[in-house]
Amino acid sequence: DTEVTQTPKHLVMGMTNKKSLKCEQHMGHRAMYWYKQKAKKPPELMFVYSYEKLSINESVPSRFSPECPNSSLLNLHLHALQPEDSALYLCASSHLGYRGRNTEAFFGQGTRLTVV
Amino acid sequence: SQQGEEDPQALSIQEGENATMNCSYKTSINNLQWYRQNSGRGLVHLILIRSNEREKHSGRLRVTLDTSKKSSSLLITASRAADTASYFCEYSGAGSYQLTFGKGTKLSVIP
Repeated sequence: DTEVTQTPKHLVMGMTNKKSLKCEQHMGHRAMYWYKQKAKKPPELMFVYSYEKLSINESVPSRFSPECPNSSLLNLHLHALQPEDSALYLCASSHLGYRGRNTEAFFGQGTRLTVV
Repeated sequence: SQQGEEDPQALSIQEGENATMNCSYKTSINNLQWYRQNSGRGLVHLILIRSNEREKHSGRLRVTLDTSKKSSSLLITASRAADTASYFCEYSGAGSYQLTFGKGTKLSVIP
């Protein structure tokens, strides 16, 4: 199984809603990532979890709250988002090397989020 | 993060021709990877090249890395319409999880 599964595929939410994005992998990867991608732009790294601990937070606003309940699951909790947060949210996973990531990352198909 | 540069930003070629895309970066790297993305969906990993490697091949793909010039290139030979996609490089800084994507090249292969 070389898949990273993201749910939901599409999400429309109001600015006062609370929602969660989910990501799952069963490849035994101990690093998991959240990226945000706006239209016609490259993905931008948001968070990195290694061994279920948050290792990188790229100055992401607190209205985005990541959670890694176990080595296979990664969540992104959303609250009080703004319309400019509308984007494709990508999850990825990879093995870990002793100097960080030194192997390929596997990406999910993403959740297309629209904030109204 | 210091985003890498890719050129060209857009490339349109005829089926059967070769396509070359370049990626430049600004920091010392651990490794560099190339990905393909179709229609704004998930990214598909193509090739990883480590900082001590100079060239790698995979099928119709050839990647080179020049650490002295801080640049990498992706060559797709005998292109097909199905190669139409956006191509991104991503590199990780030496000894860290800092991961940076280049700006990407949008490739269109005309049948």
